Amino acid sequence: EIVLTQSPGTLSLSPGESAALSCRASQSVSSTYLAWYQQKPGQAPRLLIYGTSSRATGIPDRFTGSGSGTDFTLTISRLEPEDFAMYYCQQYGSSKWTFGQGTKVEIK
Amino acid sequence: EVQLLESGGDLVQPGGSLRLSCAASGFTFSNYAMSWVRQAPGKGLEWVSLITSGGDYTYYADSVKGRFTISRDNSKNTLYLQMNSLRAEDTAIYYCAKLHVSSFDYWGQGTLVTVSS
Repeated sequence: EIVLTQSPGTLSLSPGESAALSCRASQSVSSTYLAWYQQKPGQAPRLLIYGTSSRATGIPDRFTGSGSGTDFTLTISRLEPEDFAMYYCQQYGSSKWTFGQGTKVEIK
Repeated sequence: EVQLLESGGDLVQPGGSLRLSCAASGFTFSNYAMSWVRQAPGKGLEWVSLITSGGDYTYYADSVKGRFTISRDNSKNTLYLQMNSLRAEDTAIYYCAKLHVSSFDYWGQGTLVTVSS
């Protein structure tokens, strides 16, 4: 089973700054099978990025996904107040889906 | 508008059983694989199970294999999760989610399952 490790655990930033969230896999992941989600307290997760770099419907272009192999990054440019939330990466492989443990982006 | 509405969550004793349902609308349910994902209180997301569009194939996390059964009724646009031999560590919010490529593009609001004596 592929294990995803996200870092940092918490990112403290101010609105207007940029955020870089890392997701590292224990073995190579196909770029087609790497996704990112945002979750706010009391809400269901929302798909942001699929296929490493494709934005889901309605996701603003300040969210950018990149990476390959075992290292993937979600970049959020110009943080808006509504972007402060929990973020999870997720992969598919060998008929299993796994999530990272999450990165919390909090207001500094 | 895509809507997924889970139900069936409850307080159940260890060793007990529960069946969750997820009513889907706003898309052609029979064309899409569907999944259950859970989240223990204050914890991260854990994929539980997936069923293909026609129900021919099912997949499970090792943590629930042999205890949980996923199924669907395409005539009723409904997804199910039969949970047996429940343990305290199964306590979580259970979300149903629609598969998009290899990711989950729509999620329900979740239903809470609490396993406790």
